[in-house]
Formats: sequence, C-alpha cells, structure tokens
Amino acid sequence: AQSVTQPDIHITVSEGASLELRCNYSYGATPYLFWYVQSPGQGLQLLLKYFSGDTLVQGIKGFEAEFKRSQSSFNLRKPSVHWSDAAEYFCAVGATGFQKLVFGTGTRLLVSP
Amino acid sequence: DVKVTQSSRYLVKRTGEKVFLECVQDMDHENMFWYRQDPGLGLRLIYFSYDVKMKEKGDIPEGYSVSREKKERFSLILESASTNQTSMYLCASRGRVRNEKLFFGSGTQLSVL
Repeated sequence: AQSVTQPDIHITVSEGASLELRCNYSYGATPYLFWYVQSPGQGLQLLLKYFSGDTLVQGIKGFEAEFKRSQSSFNLRKPSVHWSDAAEYFCAVGATGFQKLVFGTGTRLLVSP
Repeated sequence: DVKVTQSSRYLVKRTGEKVFLECVQDMDHENMFWYRQDPGLGLRLIYFSYDVKMKEKGDIPEGYSVSREKKERFSLILESASTNQTSMYLCASRGRVRNEKLFFGSGTQLSVL
C-alpha cells in the first residue's frame, strides 16, 4: 500500500526567503503525486500534480515541485515566500488506477516578517 | 464557479446522538469522499463513493456509515456519536478521470460532548 511522509510538522520562514517542504512516498510503481494547501478555515486547494513526463512541475502561486524517483521524494519549493503563503501543506499519493488518495500528516508553514 | 458545499461549518452534538453530515457538489462528479482531519494525523479517508448507491470503505470506517441516493449528495452518518469522533470532517469530489484533482468543501468541525 502507498504511504506518504512529511517529516516537518512546522516550518518558519522569513518573508522573501526561499522555501522547501519535504515529502517522501512509498509505492512500488510510478505514483501520482499531489501537493495541496489549506488556508485557515478553508478546504484544501490543489497547488500542483505529477503523473508522468517532466519531473519538475510548476503549480499555482509560484510553487514548483520536483519528482525524484531515486529518492522517492516530491519536495515543494518556492523561491520567495509571501506572508499569504502561511498555511498548512499536504502531500498526497495515488496509485496507478487509484480511486483514493493517501495524504501525509501535513506541514504548517509560518512566515515571519 | 464549481462548488462543494458542506451543510454546517460547526456542529455540537452529545454522546450517543445520531449525526448526519451533508455534502453537495454541483459538478456532476461521479466520485465523492469523506475525510477526517486531526492535528498530527493529516487527512484520513473514511468512506468514498464512485457512483449512486455505491460505496467503499476507506482507512477508518469504524463508527461511520454513508449514503448516496443522488449523484450530487453524499452523507456521512455517525450512528452513535462518541467523543473520539470530535474532529474536522472534509468532503471532496472528483470526476471520472482518476488523475483529476479533488475539490474540497470548507469542512465541518464536529464537537461531541
């Protein structure tokens, strides 16, 4: 069965600094990978997804993620963080032919002035 | 704008009560999901439905049941609410294609006293 690990529970980044959120997955074949963001009091919104092809994926709000099969990772990056990026971020994995997604435990991003 | 609507933002119930959480989507989606979100545990799938009157158990179905009588509506039922079911409940929907993104509702924060 597939699983997702987000090793960082909280991360604090200064506004304008770069950001990297870690995600490691466990799945035997090529997975479908997603990053979602949840702002306070809101549901989850898709940032980006990877299925195949180019391993560097661009998403909304200036985010990108890179799929590295050798490391079983799909880390989320942003070159310059804005205060409005403060939220909780979830990585998720789906198997080929999947019906459901398996989510990680989330990383809460705090942005300091 | 596409929408997944959960009937209540906050709900307070007493132990032993039967509780209904309602979710409606306006996108004609085949697939609908109920997740539970708890701090440090991320999102865990309770049940999902891939068609009217069809349902499958997710990872934590104990203590819950679901109903899907119409395509646009997916109900989560707590037969006899318990304090350990105090949580944020998120409904999501997705179209037929399995690599499409999930659309989430804003969530229902349920407190069982």
